[in-house]
Amino acid sequence: DAGVIQSPRHEVTEMGQEVTLRCKPISGHNSLFWYRQTMMRGLELLIYFNNNVPIDDSGMPEDRFSAKMPNASFSTLKIQPSEPRDSAVYFCASIPGPTSESTQARRNEQFFGPGTRLTVL
Amino acid sequence: GDSVTQMEGPVTLSEEAFLTINCTYTATGYPSLFWYVQYPGEGLQLLLKATKADDKGSNKGFEATYRKETTSFHLEKGSVQVSDSAVYFCALSDRVGTGKLIFGQGTTLQVKP
Repeated sequence: DAGVIQSPRHEVTEMGQEVTLRCKPISGHNSLFWYRQTMMRGLELLIYFNNNVPIDDSGMPEDRFSAKMPNASFSTLKIQPSEPRDSAVYFCASIPGPTSESTQARRNEQFFGPGTRLTVL
Repeated sequence: GDSVTQMEGPVTLSEEAFLTINCTYTATGYPSLFWYVQYPGEGLQLLLKATKADDKGSNKGFEATYRKETTSFHLEKGSVQVSDSAVYFCALSDRVGTGKLIFGQGTTLQVKP
């Protein structure tokens, strides 16, 4: 299994530009999470999807941030316009869906991608 | 709400020293507990987990026991190696079964030869 795939791995852009980060979850996983990691704020959950539907976007910092999941195998996180304070490492993670027997199966580990290091100049 | 508190780092140890990283949690119900590790330049990966009280999770020489009475899940290793240098995150599962994890702030471990 290829694991969670993120692209690009590194992105350097100038303030005001649009940035799009991409994530391919593990095949068969039906929940996807976007995180941001900085030295100052640690690991923050931005948004998560279940069956391609956004469930909780309360962590999205501003309207400049948007996320989509058009199908089960692809998600994007877009920042428009970008600002220097958006510089961070952005992670995507996925988990498999629950079994029909119990929601206990939801309590599985999240599988993280390698992250995208974003630098906004 | 539910929360996780880890001991502050960085923790600096010599090779072969004993490691403890403290983690306590606040939660209603019976969450699962996790330790994740993040090596430099990489994403987080699961190190170990425990799904109910008194369970012990173990992996790669690391251990942690789910202690409901003290609401703790301390990470231990008897003899650390330089290759264990990383950031360690304690986490608990969201109690409503969404798959969300609530992470601690992370503890940086540096092991010197």
